[in-house]
Amino acid sequence: NAGVTQTPKFRVLKTGQSMTLLCAQDMNHEYMYWYRQDPGMGLRLIHYSVGEGTTAKGEVPDGYNVSRLKKQNFLLGLESAAPSQTSVYFCASRTRPGLGGYEQYFGPGTRLTVT
Amino acid sequence: GENVEQHPSTLSVQEGDSAVIKCTYSDSASNYFPWYKQELGKGPQLIIDIRSNVGEKKDQRIAVTLNKTAKHFSLHITETQPEDSAVYFCAASRGTGFQKLVFGTGTRLLVSP
Repeated sequence: NAGVTQTPKFRVLKTGQSMTLLCAQDMNHEYMYWYRQDPGMGLRLIHYSVGEGTTAKGEVPDGYNVSRLKKQNFLLGLESAAPSQTSVYFCASRTRPGLGGYEQYFGPGTRLTVT
Repeated sequence: GENVEQHPSTLSVQEGDSAVIKCTYSDSASNYFPWYKQELGKGPQLIIDIRSNVGEKKDQRIAVTLNKTAKHFSLHITETQPEDSAVYFCAASRGTGFQKLVFGTGTRLLVSP
C-alpha cells in the first residue's frame, strides 16, 4: 500500500513551457486535492475533485487545469508556466464522509522551479 | 472567507519542555480543526484533530484545546523530544464533508537535546 504518490519529485521549467504533475492513490479514496506551498503562506488549495470525472476550483486556480479521468489519479496541468508558479505542490486524498475518519493523506510533494 | 492565523512562526525549546502553538480563525461556522506535522522533505501528516462539539482532546503527549467563543485553538506538546522537531500547521474547515481546509502559515518547532 503506497498511499499517495506524486511524480515527478523535482522539475525545472522555462517560462511558457507546459507540464503535467501526476498524483496517484491506492486507498480507493473519493476526494482528491491539489495544494501549493509557498514560504510563509502555508498550503493553499488549487483544485479539488469529489469523484471520478468531477473537478472544481479552489482558492488559487488561475493558471492551472486538472483532470480526474480515473478514480485513483488526479492530474495537475500548467499550460504556460510562469515564475509565480515556482512552488512545492502537494496532492492529498481522503475517503468520503461516513466511511471513516477525516484525515487528508498527503503525497511527498513536487518541487517546481520556473525560470 | 475563512482566515487562520498561527503563532509563533518559530519556537525553540529544550528537550523535555512543553511547547504550545496557537491559532485563531475568523469563520464562526468552522467546526473541524486538524493539526498537521510536516517533516523536512515530506508531506504533512495529521497528528490530531478536534471537532467543535468538544473542548479538548488528548493523544499521549499531544493535546488540542478549542475555545469556540474566542475562536481560537491550540496545540500542546508535553515532554518534547528531538523527533518532535518539524513544521506544524493548524487548519480549519466548515464541516467534515468535503472539508475545504484553510491552513495557518506554520510553526517551525526546534527541540534541542
